[in-house]
Amino acid sequence: GNSVTQMEGPVTLSEEAFLTINCTYTATGYPSLFWYVQYPGEGLQLLLKATKADDKGSNKGFEATYRKETTSFHLEKGSVQVSDSAVYFCALLNQAGTALIFGKGTTLSVSS
Amino acid sequence: KAGVTQTPRYLIKTRGQQVTLSCSPISGHRSVSWYQQTPGQGLQFLFEYFSETQRNKGNFPGRFSGRQFSNSRSEMNVSTLELGDSALYLCASSLEQGAQPQHFGDGTRLSIL
Repeated sequence: GNSVTQMEGPVTLSEEAFLTINCTYTATGYPSLFWYVQYPGEGLQLLLKATKADDKGSNKGFEATYRKETTSFHLEKGSVQVSDSAVYFCALLNQAGTALIFGKGTTLSVSS
Repeated sequence: KAGVTQTPRYLIKTRGQQVTLSCSPISGHRSVSWYQQTPGQGLQFLFEYFSETQRNKGNFPGRFSGRQFSNSRSEMNVSTLELGDSALYLCASSLEQGAQPQHFGDGTRLSIL
């Protein structure tokens, strides 16, 4: 079946540090992949997406590349800010295109 | 353009009761999906409604049900509440069935005493 595995958190960084949050998936075929972000007390917001192998999604300084050979979609940012503190979810769209399958989420805490 | 609106934001119930949550999608969006978020299980898909019909369903017991109205607004009902139903319930809307991206509301926090 479909599944998404994210690195366990929390991830604690200082401002301007480099961020990597690992995400690997198990799925049939080549599903669309997503990163969502959830700020405290809010719902999920789409951060970026990639729909096919080697696609790079990017938004607000965050990037992730769809790697089919390693079934990965790691999230990176070159210089994090305090305002990036949130929970980040990696997700894939199931083969039928009907539901998002989420990882458990990774909490990022950035201090100044 | 208004986002996805979920009401109420917070709800406290006791075991055995039932509850109804509401979701108003973004104007023009016809598909509404529901997710349950808990610390232990994470985010899990409940069901999707499109054109007033349930199109897809996750692995949840029959106590969880929903409906969609002609204006695309959706309600989710949970009957015979259990302690384990305490969760954040998120609604997401999209233009068409299965379309991406889905736009999420801020959720309804349900606490069962």
